[in-house]
Amino acid sequence: DTEVTQTPKHLVMGMTNKKSLKCEQHMGHRAMYWYKQKAKKPPELMFVYSYEKLSINESVPSRFSPECPNSSLLNLHLHALQPEDSALYLCASSQESSLGAEAFFGQGTRLTVV
Amino acid sequence: RKEVEQDPGPFNVPEGATVAFNCTYSNSASQSFFWYRQDCRKEPKLLMSVYSSGNEDGRFTAQLNRASQYISLLIRDSKLSDSATYLCVVNIMYSSASKIIFGSGTRLSIRP
Repeated sequence: DTEVTQTPKHLVMGMTNKKSLKCEQHMGHRAMYWYKQKAKKPPELMFVYSYEKLSINESVPSRFSPECPNSSLLNLHLHALQPEDSALYLCASSQESSLGAEAFFGQGTRLTVV
Repeated sequence: RKEVEQDPGPFNVPEGATVAFNCTYSNSASQSFFWYRQDCRKEPKLLMSVYSSGNEDGRFTAQLNRASQYISLLIRDSKLSDSATYLCVVNIMYSSASKIIFGSGTRLSIRP
C-alpha cells in the first residue's frame, strides 16, 4: 500500500467557519508534510512532522493549525481563513525525515474560501 | 535567491523529440534529489530519484552534479503522454528534520 489518503477531496467554507482536513497513510512512514499549492505554482511547504512531533513550521499563519494524533494520521485545522487561502492542500509522507527519502503525495483537498 | 530554480518553460516540442530540463539548487545541505511529474489538477508523482552517478529509467535519464549544484532530466523519444509539469525536488537536511522543496516546475507540451 503506497497510498496517502486525503479527505475531503473538495471543501467550500466561509471565513467564519472551522473545518479540518485529514490525511492518512499506512506505509509506516514517520515523516508527514502539509503543502499548499496555488494554480500554476509549485507546492509550498507549510509544516513537517517527524515522529509525530512538529519539526518545521514555515511561518504559517495561526489560522492553520496542524495536528498529528498518531503515526498514521495528520490533520490540518482551519479557522477564520481568508479568500486568498483558497488552494489545493497536499499531504505527503516519507520514510523518515533524516533519510532523505522521496515523498508520496495524497490527491489533495481543493479548498475554496468564500 | 530561491532554494531550487528551474526554467519555467513552457516547452512545446513534437512527438519523438528529445527534451532536456535543468535545475539548480543553492543549499549545500541538500542531501537527495528527485524529479516529480504533475498532471493538471493532480498530485505530484515521483518520476525518478537522481544520483551522482546518473541514472536511467527507459526514455528518462537524470543527472546530478554536486559540485555545480545542478540537476538535469533528459526525455528521449517523447510521447504525447509525457505532457505534464516536471518538478525538480530537493530534500534539505536541517537539525530537526528535512524539508522537501520544489522548484517552480517546467511545463512540457508534446504535439502530434
